[in-house]
Amino acid sequence: SAVISQKPSRDICQRGTSLTIQCQVDSQVTMMFWYRQQPGQSLTLIATANQGSEATYESGFVIDKFPISRPNLTFSTLTVSNMSPEDSSIYLCSVELDGRQPQHFGDGTRLSIL
Amino acid sequence: GEDVEQSLFLSVREGDSSVINCTYTDSSSTYLYWYKQEPGAGLQLLTYIFSNMDMKQDQRLTVLLNKKDKHLSLRIADTQTGDSAIYFCAENSGNTGKLIFGQGTTLQVKP
Repeated sequence: SAVISQKPSRDICQRGTSLTIQCQVDSQVTMMFWYRQQPGQSLTLIATANQGSEATYESGFVIDKFPISRPNLTFSTLTVSNMSPEDSSIYLCSVELDGRQPQHFGDGTRLSIL
Repeated sequence: GEDVEQSLFLSVREGDSSVINCTYTDSSSTYLYWYKQEPGAGLQLLTYIFSNMDMKQDQRLTVLLNKKDKHLSLRIADTQTGDSAIYFCAENSGNTGKLIFGQGTTLQVKP
């Protein structure tokens, strides 16, 4: 399986600011995804990060709030924009290797907004 | 829409077997997964099963799939205190890569 590194691992941010989370994989992967896990909750898919094109967002998530980049097959970023306390969550990157299941997850970014 | 349901909590004694159950709704799911999340950590893939299989065994883990009833279970034999964690069941949605997760079952292992 691939080694998935997320940065930062945690952060405490002020209301109204933005934070960019990075996901780096040690090998080329076909699919990259971003999930959110709100406190005490399960995981919800935010979007699929598409290489070289706009991300595909799930219902309830929009590009202005969660812009995503994927410039190549090993790297993606998720920005959480104009943060409010409701954005306090764990944000996780996951990958699929060469189109074959299963998905593997990074350790997540624990984000708290004051 | 797609839905995955799990019981929220299970408590067992060390050395006993644990059985965590899950039901799902999407009959087109190709794979079903079990992930483990320890406190402060990300998700670790434990095991997965292809939808045309009934059972998969991997050391202390046994996955049973009843496709007719859309029921998935994870059995952990000889449960250890290190198995204490939240266990998530997940299905892939329509082969898009999107995973639908259950609420997670907190497994408490008492010494």
